[in-house]
Amino acid sequence: EAQVTQNPRYLITVTGKKLTVTCSQNMNHEYMSWYRQDPGLGLRQIYYSMNVEVTDKGDVPEGYKVSRKEKRNFPLILESPSPNQTSLYFCASSFGENTGELFFGEGSRLTVL
Amino acid sequence: EDQVTQSPEALRLQEGESSSLNCSYTVSGLRGLFWYRQDPGKGPEFLFTLYSAGEEKEKERLKATLTKKESFLHITAPKPEDSATYLCAVQADSSYKLIFGSGTRLLVRP
Repeated sequence: EAQVTQNPRYLITVTGKKLTVTCSQNMNHEYMSWYRQDPGLGLRQIYYSMNVEVTDKGDVPEGYKVSRKEKRNFPLILESPSPNQTSLYFCASSFGENTGELFFGEGSRLTVL
Repeated sequence: EDQVTQSPEALRLQEGESSSLNCSYTVSGLRGLFWYRQDPGKGPEFLFTLYSAGEEKEKERLKATLTKKESFLHITAPKPEDSATYLCAVQADSSYKLIFGSGTRLLVRP
């Protein structure tokens, strides 16, 4: 089954404790992206990757890091989480950057205390 | 500045009561407009792509249309299972970035 898998789905952590949200896709997609979704603000792009070892900032990259060492995986790293990073996070993938037809994961709800 | 505005924020319908959701956009040049459906606790699911004014796409009870400034998602004779949040996104000519609206929460009561 074609899918984008994120882990963990739910996480409560404390300010400053490093965490990683993993994302894996099994569709051989070149393009992967991370979004955060907040009430009233819609989906905002954090980082994206057009291919292995190629990443770039989206609209709200501050406080986040990513890496793309393999085509299927695109982890999101919060080095020192803060309460304003409490949000619902989605990983998405597609065949290429030029398509708006994204496949989304089921989301990771993060709470930073 | 490129932006997308969806209205209404929330819509309650009785089963069978047809209606439309609006997505208005401001973008320098439109590469594509996309509709997604998002169920509670799930990620958005792609529905339609529209590229040019006058284009229409249909899927079951949903029909998406596009003009030069807005798109409509028409829901004909909705059923409770159509309840979800519907998201609109645009992609500008100048960038591949998707700009999402805040969505319309649709509730269809039996």
